[in-house]
Amino acid sequence: GESVGLHLPTLSVQEGDNSIINCAYSNSASDYFIWYKQESGKGPQFIIDIRSNMDKRQGQRVTVLLNKTVKHLSLQIAATQPGDSAVYFCAENRPGGGADGLTFGKGTHLIIQP
Amino acid sequence: DTAVSQTPKYLVTQMGNDKSIKCEQNLGHDTMYWYKQDSKKFLKIMFSYNNKELIINETVPNRFSPKSPDKAHLNLHINSLELGDSAVYFCASSQESGRGYTFGSGTRLTVV
Repeated sequence: GESVGLHLPTLSVQEGDNSIINCAYSNSASDYFIWYKQESGKGPQFIIDIRSNMDKRQGQRVTVLLNKTVKHLSLQIAATQPGDSAVYFCAENRPGGGADGLTFGKGTHLIIQP
Repeated sequence: DTAVSQTPKYLVTQMGNDKSIKCEQNLGHDTMYWYKQDSKKFLKIMFSYNNKELIINETVPNRFSPKSPDKAHLNLHINSLELGDSAVYFCASSQESGRGYTFGSGTRLTVV
C-alpha cells in the first residue's frame, strides 16, 4: 500500500481543535506561495495563497502566515473536521512567472482524531 | 466540467514498453506542467509548456517527452519504461503569472 516507506511528518489533532502546519521554503526570491491539500487518491487541491508583499491572509477556516525573514510559511486550520485529514503541501513560485513551475515542500500528514 | 483532466487514471505495463498519458485543461491557461510524485509523496516538476515552447526540463531522462498539440493539451510520452518510472504523474496548468495553478487527479503508473 501507499503507507509502505512513507516518512512524512505527521500531525495528529483532536476534532474541533486548531491545527498549525509549518513549512520552510528555500528560495528567498520566491514571490508567491500556495498551500495545497491532497487527499488519498486525488490530486493536490488549492487551499490558499499569499504573495510575498503580505504577511497574513485569511480564508474560510484557514489562515496563512508568511515570515520572509526566516523563510517560513504556516497554515492554520481552525476547528478541524474529519474532512481535513489529508497531506498538506506548501509550494513556492520563483519570480518571473509560472512557467518555472512550483517547488513543493515535503508534505505533512494531518490526522484528525475523533 | 473537470478543469484539468488526465487519462488514464491507472496504467500497468511491462518494462520496455512505450506508453502515453494524456492531459487536457479547459481553463484557458497559458502554461501546462507535468509533475511526478514518488512513493514518499514528494512532488517534483518534470516539464512545463508555455505557448508550445518547452520552458524547463528538470533532469528528466530523455525517455520522457512532452507533446503539446495545442494550448489546451500536454501529453506525456514515455519510451522504454523502467521499474523506477513507477509513480503517480500529475498534470497541472496555470496562468502565465503562476496564479490559478490547478492539478489533475493523477495517473498511477506501475511498471512490472
